[in-house]
Amino acid sequence: AQSVAQPEDQVNVAEGNPLTVKCTYSVSGNPYLFWYVQYPNRGLQFLLKYITGDNLVKGSYGFEAEFNKSQTSFHLKKPSALVSDSALYFCAVRANTDKLIFGTGTRLQVFP
Amino acid sequence: NAGVTQTPKFRVLKTGQSMTLLCAQDMNHEYMYWYRQDPGMGLRLIHYSVGEGTTAKGEVPDGYNVSRLKKQNFLLGLESAAPSQTSVYFCASRGLGLAGFYEQYFGPGTRLTVT
Repeated sequence: AQSVAQPEDQVNVAEGNPLTVKCTYSVSGNPYLFWYVQYPNRGLQFLLKYITGDNLVKGSYGFEAEFNKSQTSFHLKKPSALVSDSALYFCAVRANTDKLIFGTGTRLQVFP
Repeated sequence: NAGVTQTPKFRVLKTGQSMTLLCAQDMNHEYMYWYRQDPGMGLRLIHYSVGEGTTAKGEVPDGYNVSRLKKQNFLLGLESAAPSQTSVYFCASRGLGLAGFYEQYFGPGTRLTVT
């Protein structure tokens, strides 16, 4: 069965430092992977996706994600964190042609 | 273009009461989804629809029913609310996608409390 894991409940980083939010996956076949962000009292917003091609995927708000097939990982990264990046981040994997499976979420806190 | 909208935004129910949550999208999307979000559990799929007139069960369908009579609307019903259904409910939609899998677009959520 397809699954996705986010091993960290919370990540703390100082503004201006690089950030990484971790995600690992388990799928049969080729993985379709996604990152979403949720700001307080809002719905989820799509950040980026990996379907095929280049292992480094660029998305919205300066975020990027690195797909690593051998480590079955899809970590979200940003070279320089902003306080406004503080939010809840979800990794997701396609379960089949109809559905996504979401991770439990990682809260990112960026301190000034 | 409003995207995905949800009605109501907040609701408090007593145990045993019923209610319907409405989701509407104006993007002509085929697929629509209902999720619930609970602390530490991420998003869990309740029911979904792959087109007008179709519905299917997700991960946690018990206690909920859905209907998709019109392509733009997806209704989630609670026939007899229980405290375990206290949650934040999100609706999402997506298009068919020419290749790969298009991202889902989410509504702002409905916060439901059952006392």
